[in-house]
Amino acid sequence: SQTIHQWPATLVQPVGSPLSLECTVEGTSNPNLYWYRQAAGRGLQLLFYSVGIGQISSEVPQNLSASRPQDRQFILSSKKLLLSDSGFYLCAWRGGTLNQPQHFGDGTRLSIL
Amino acid sequence: QKEVEQNSGPLSVPEGAIASLNCTYSDRGSQSFFWYRQYSGKSPELIMSIYSNGDKEDGRFTAQLNKASQYVSLLIRDSQPSDSATYLCAVKSGGGADGLTFGKGTHLIIQP
Repeated sequence: SQTIHQWPATLVQPVGSPLSLECTVEGTSNPNLYWYRQAAGRGLQLLFYSVGIGQISSEVPQNLSASRPQDRQFILSSKKLLLSDSGFYLCAWRGGTLNQPQHFGDGTRLSIL
Repeated sequence: QKEVEQNSGPLSVPEGAIASLNCTYSDRGSQSFFWYRQYSGKSPELIMSIYSNGDKEDGRFTAQLNKASQYVSLLIRDSQPSDSATYLCAVKSGGGADGLTFGKGTHLIIQP
């Protein structure tokens, strides 16, 4: 069966510091991968998605970036965090056809001080 | 802009009753519809998927889709306290872009 791992579970970072969140999927090949952010009082917002190695689509302009160095690895990064980057970051994967559901990892709760 | 609207609640339902959760969406070309359950502090968990008009049942859960009215609902029969959570409606639009558009969720409270 497929599993998705995200780490770390929680992170506290000062404003202006860099960020790297990692997500890996097991038990499937060539998954579609996604990064979402859920801010307090707001819905899940799609940040990036990837259909393959090195292929990244950005949905929202911001100071975040994403990379997919390996088939089942998806990384979310920032060079300089802002206070507004606080939130619950969720990685998700989808296999098969375009209409299949997405499945989420456990998430990373990021607090910016 | 594609939107998914849900009543934020809280929706309070007595234990054993039917909980009814509703969702409307703006993109008429949407093809796939999902309900996720999210417990406080946890990640969303898929409950139901529905793709065509009508009802789809899975255990105590029934999803209903009406594309003409751009309306999706989730019924939970014999509600249990463990059903207390936020329920997120998610829609996959018909365009080429990937990713889901989520509503802000309905907070459901099942009263023992």
